[in-house]
Amino acid sequence: GQQLNQSPQSMFIQEGEDVSMNCTSSSIFNTWLWYKQDPGEGPVLLIALYKAGELTSNGRLTAQFGITRKDSFLNISASIPSDVGIYFCAGTLNDYKLSFGAGTTVTVRA
Amino acid sequence: GAVVSQHPSWVICKSGTSVKIECRSLDFQATTMFWYRQFPKQSLMLMATSNEGSKATYEQGVEKDKFLINHASLTLSTLTVTSAHPEDSSFYICSASGLAGGGAYEQYFGPGTRLTVT
Repeated sequence: GQQLNQSPQSMFIQEGEDVSMNCTSSSIFNTWLWYKQDPGEGPVLLIALYKAGELTSNGRLTAQFGITRKDSFLNISASIPSDVGIYFCAGTLNDYKLSFGAGTTVTVRA
Repeated sequence: GAVVSQHPSWVICKSGTSVKIECRSLDFQATTMFWYRQFPKQSLMLMATSNEGSKATYEQGVEKDKFLINHASLTLSTLTVTSAHPEDSSFYICSASGLAGGGAYEQYFGPGTRLTVT
């Protein structure tokens, strides 16, 4: 699949902060997925989006499927230390093969 | 629900030997399974897609004779790295897609297998 543009590449969080990351694609998707990967582990599915404009929450996480169907963002509210990890976006248009973003590495600001 | 296991979680083997990695969907039937390779600080690189009972479809640049994939049942797929070399050392992750109660394209990942070839 194609490579998605995911930004930022990395970010530092302070406990309690709200943080945001996004993904863009050059072509439209009908499914956007957001995953989190901890070191030495496989990615874990956080949120799945299926309709343009859809806004879905999972606890402190909120993700939106962009109206143009070419982008999605993920927000983490009131971040906590265990939010550190690598977040990947993934998307597809009627294909079981997913296109992945390069990942956003979230670390705690010292 | 949607739990995928991998075994072993890590393995060290000598150059020239073969290593088999198992991927199981524990609580759903996986119509499609995927094998990825991940290098440090990089995204997931799809190696191959397999459907139960049929031959795997390999991505461009992935040697099918070196990375043998078998998807014998709806809950089990195996990846065998044949004649392993140090450059095959990597983190291998499987994922499964199917009747897990989620959307059609959701993939659920295993915990990964760290392969080190000495």
